[in-house]
Amino acid sequence: SQQGEEDPQALSIQEGENATMNCSYKTSINNLQWYRQNSGRGLVHLILIRSNEREKHSGRLRVTLDTSKKSSSLLITASRAADTASYFCATDARGSARQLTFGSGTQLTVLP
Amino acid sequence: DGGITQSPKYLFRKEGQNVTLSCEQNLNHDAMYWYRQDPGQGLRLIYYSQIVNDFQKGDIAEGYSVSREKKESFPLTVTSAQKNPTAFYLCASSTVEVKYGYTFGSGTRLTVV
Repeated sequence: SQQGEEDPQALSIQEGENATMNCSYKTSINNLQWYRQNSGRGLVHLILIRSNEREKHSGRLRVTLDTSKKSSSLLITASRAADTASYFCATDARGSARQLTFGSGTQLTVLP
Repeated sequence: DGGITQSPKYLFRKEGQNVTLSCEQNLNHDAMYWYRQDPGQGLRLIYYSQIVNDFQKGDIAEGYSVSREKKESFPLTVTSAQKNPTAFYLCASSTVEVKYGYTFGSGTRLTVV
């Protein structure tokens, strides 16, 4: 079952602009994670935010979590053409025995 | 370097054949997972294992089988009972502790011919 749903499905921006992707989920979680996937490749873990955290930073990435709205956002600042990829949120639901449930992803295209 | 290796990268299956996808990790992770990804979609969980000699069905286990005889290895067999096996298959591993996320392999693209 799809726990997380990303919005928008596709996003196209110019290099240097910021990119914001949103994720909504349905059940209580232990944590929420964001992954990146280049075309035809495996996923790469970007950042994890725990249910008791509201904001987290890693380099040009900023993640927020609002558990009351069951939503998260990923902000990529000063985007580069190399950021072009699909981005997925994944939730580690409480009582789920540790398997992640992934959303359908946002396809980000950064134009040079 | 530690990592997770999937092989082969591309696999072609004839109708009615069983095929086995390999997944090996040297990260000393206890947990391993198999996901299926269809074009333009997210990942769906097929099977997972949190300890050797034990595994659990995920959301779409029908037509698939796994084994976990060694900590390092978690092969996936796509059987003839899987009616629509063409997809991108991803293997992942993790520690029992959540904080580091999953490590993924580079995937196997399976095509039925």
